[in-house]
Amino acid sequence: AQTVTQSQPEMSVQEAETVTLSCTYDTSESDYYLFWYKQPPSRQMILVIRQEAYKQQNATENRFSVNFQKAAKSFSLKISDSQLGDAAMYFCAYRRDTDKLIFGTGTRLQVFP
Amino acid sequence: NAGVTQTPKFRILKIGQSMTLQCAQDMNHNYMYWYRQDPGMGLKLIYYSVGAGITDKGEVPNGYNVSRSTTEDFPLRLELAAPSQTSVYFCAVHMPPYNEQFFGPGTRLTVL
Repeated sequence: AQTVTQSQPEMSVQEAETVTLSCTYDTSESDYYLFWYKQPPSRQMILVIRQEAYKQQNATENRFSVNFQKAAKSFSLKISDSQLGDAAMYFCAYRRDTDKLIFGTGTRLQVFP
Repeated sequence: NAGVTQTPKFRILKIGQSMTLQCAQDMNHNYMYWYRQDPGMGLKLIYYSVGAGITDKGEVPNGYNVSRSTTEDFPLRLELAAPSQTSVYFCAVHMPPYNEQFFGPGTRLTVL
């Protein structure tokens, strides 16, 4: 069975600095998708970034980028130039095709001015 | 919310009561999902549907029922509510072509 592990329950970063959130997963599949979702206090689940496993190039969305290491089954999220609005829970998730999402337990990110 | 609506936003139930959580989408997509999020945890799949008339169990289906009579609506039914069902419930829709799931705003349910 597929599993997703986020080993950092909480992280903190100074405004304008860079922070990296870790995620590892376990699967025997070769084709799948990985996602990072942001959940602010409003509880809304917001897609931050996605990565297709068949793509070697790491995905980037503005200040957010990933380090996807397929052989190591690692999928970390880097947030550059952190802003106060980045403070939220961040969830790593795995999905194969249109199957269900499997979530990690989340990392709470605090951003200090 | 990418056209995914959920009602109600909040609800308090007494043990043994029943209720239906509503989810509707206006994007004509086939795949829909119900997740629950317990405090301090990630989301877990309750039920999902690949189209009208087709539903299947997810990871934590006990105590819930679903139906999918139309593409637009995917209601989640709680029978005989229990305190263990206190959670935040999210409905999601699969969005091609990027294989993303977009979530509704959630329903916070408390069972006392």
